[in-house]
Amino acid sequence: EPEVTQTPSHQVTQMGQEVILRCVPISNHLYFYWYRQILGQKVEFLVSFYNNEISEKSEIFDDQFSVERPDGSNFTLKIRSTKLEDSAMYFCASKGVRGGNNQPQHFGDGTRLSIL
Amino acid sequence: AQSVTQLGSHVSVSEGALVLLRCNYSSSVPPYLFWYVQYPNQGLQLLLKYTSAATLVKGINGFEAEFKKSETSFHLTKPSAHMSDAAEYFCAVMALGEGNTPLVFGKGTRLSVIA
Repeated sequence: EPEVTQTPSHQVTQMGQEVILRCVPISNHLYFYWYRQILGQKVEFLVSFYNNEISEKSEIFDDQFSVERPDGSNFTLKIRSTKLEDSAMYFCASKGVRGGNNQPQHFGDGTRLSIL
Repeated sequence: AQSVTQLGSHVSVSEGALVLLRCNYSSSVPPYLFWYVQYPNQGLQLLLKYTSAATLVKGINGFEAEFKKSETSFHLTKPSAHMSDAAEYFCAVMALGEGNTPLVFGKGTRLSVIA
């Protein structure tokens, strides 16, 4: 079964450094998402992306965050200047369009980001 | 705004016992509802979904959930727990609307299964 893949599985970065988290969504999916889960807390929505532009973003997704689909397969999340509170598990998800809007989102295994 | 409440951050059951994980949602109209499971060091895997068809939804691994509009609930059940069911379970709601509508998750319930 097709999967969403994320790399790296664990990223350790110094505070203030830029970090790029990478995702390869399922190939025929057109909706893409980033979520994060701070340790011990709920999964929170960051941003959704469709047709090469951001569709919706949460309050968490401030100017330090950006997303990009640089080619036909990758979907990236960049944090420009990381803060300690950015430490979390980041999940990428994708969703197909066939079958209507109620299709489920498929999640990757996540990237654990640790800011030192 | 949509929200999800999962009662009980930790549920412990004996192997073979009934599993009941509670989820209540808040929404102005009946939304789409999902249950996801997260095994240690893994991502979120879809267990089942409710999308306004049958109110009793069957999912993978013997789990099922019943949508009750009058109670705004979507509780997850399994008749007989197995050791392999130990994981974190998340209920999520998605508003009706555009295809890119995000999921809103509950805080999760950790299920422990005792031999």
